[in-house]
Amino acid sequence: DAGVIQSPRHEVTEMGQEVTLRCKPISGHNSLFWYRQTMMRGLELLIYFNNNVPIDDSGMPEDRFSAKMPNASFSTLKIQPSEPRDSAVYFCASSLEGDRDSSPLHFGNGTRLTVT
Amino acid sequence: AQSVTQLGSHVSVSEGALVLLRCNYSSSVPPYLFWYVQYPNQGLQLLLKYTSAATLVKGINDFEAEFKKSETSFHLTKPSAHMSDAAEYFCAARSSARQLTFGSGTQLTVLP
Repeated sequence: DAGVIQSPRHEVTEMGQEVTLRCKPISGHNSLFWYRQTMMRGLELLIYFNNNVPIDDSGMPEDRFSAKMPNASFSTLKIQPSEPRDSAVYFCASSLEGDRDSSPLHFGNGTRLTVT
Repeated sequence: AQSVTQLGSHVSVSEGALVLLRCNYSSSVPPYLFWYVQYPNQGLQLLLKYTSAATLVKGINDFEAEFKKSETSFHLTKPSAHMSDAAEYFCAARSSARQLTFGSGTQLTVLP
């Protein structure tokens, strides 16, 4: 089990540029989550997919953020255009959801985004 | 809405001393509760979870947590701290909405 794989690990970009973060969930998991972590706001849920369908995107900050999950093994989080306040660590997590809600999330190692 | 409160953003203990990290949740219905640990430059790893099967939950690395409904608490403990336990610890709760709500985290420092 390779775990949740995120790429890149680090991304430095200039304000106004497009940024795409990538995530490969654990094989067989049916739910995928994108989180953002900052010192000021802690861990924030951005969006949650179940069976490749976005279930809750109320945490997406604004229209500059978009996320897709074209298949069960891949998801992207895109920021266009990027701004300095988007600088944070972005985590992808996956889980196997069933009838109960006790399934733990498995996290990737994150992408550290710096927008200058 | 579900909320999770972790008392103490920083906790320092001596090596070999008891570790106690506090977590309280707010919910009329006891949620599923989790403790995660985050080492520098890594993602969060599950330490343990409460699913109503037992109020005392044992996790990895000798950590355990006790669910107390009357106090709406789920404090994390370890009898004897090791240097390798230095990390940030997050309490989290999951309600029927299936969203995982995290506390603000507690940075644990272990002093030699």
